[in-house]
Amino acid sequence: QKEVEQNSGPLSVPEGAIASLNCTYSDRGSQSFFWYRQYSGKSPELIMFIYSNGDKEDGRFTAQLNKASQYVSLLIRDSQPSDSATYLCAVNMTYNFNKFYFGSGTKLNVKP
Amino acid sequence: DTEVTQTPKHLVMGMTNKKSLKCEQHMGHRAMYWYKQKAKKPPELMFVYSYEKLSINESVPSRFSPECPNSSLLNLHLHALQPEDSALYLCASSSEQGFTQYFGPGTRLTVL
Repeated sequence: QKEVEQNSGPLSVPEGAIASLNCTYSDRGSQSFFWYRQYSGKSPELIMFIYSNGDKEDGRFTAQLNKASQYVSLLIRDSQPSDSATYLCAVNMTYNFNKFYFGSGTKLNVKP
Repeated sequence: DTEVTQTPKHLVMGMTNKKSLKCEQHMGHRAMYWYKQKAKKPPELMFVYSYEKLSINESVPSRFSPECPNSSLLNLHLHALQPEDSALYLCASSSEQGFTQYFGPGTRLTVL
């Protein structure tokens, strides 16, 4: 069983809509959770991180964490064509902060 | 400043060549990473240095040799690579508690 799972997509949303990206993880020892955005041919760019249950908002982005259900999500409000990218979910563990596990990524297409 | 720099941006090498990839960060991070990323796949962890000591080696072939000369620098020495080693090589660093891992722009490596 993979430590981190994401739907590969593509997820298509119209411009201005809310894009919802989901990620589940298997290890209850998971400590912190990260969302990265990666444009084709570029390196991953950190968008959000969260380590407490609940919501964390930063501009148009909201990360949601539910440790009981072992999922973390990223909401993108007012989606723009420039948000079209692959979104990677990553987690690290309480027993090894320095090892990050990545999901396979969800490709998001925002249509004008 | 959340910058990780990598040189070179692109590298083409033959299977008998020896080359090195370089990475630098000035965020005071004490953990540094090498990842390999193939197209449409998530980053794949290769090595982790923590406090300048190799803490994780993900069973990487010996033709890849990491080096951490000091807390700000990370090198990856390459020798006798195979064409299947062609990929985007990413360097990253993170703070002591594993919160927020930042990636450099990557080196696009082609092995002929």
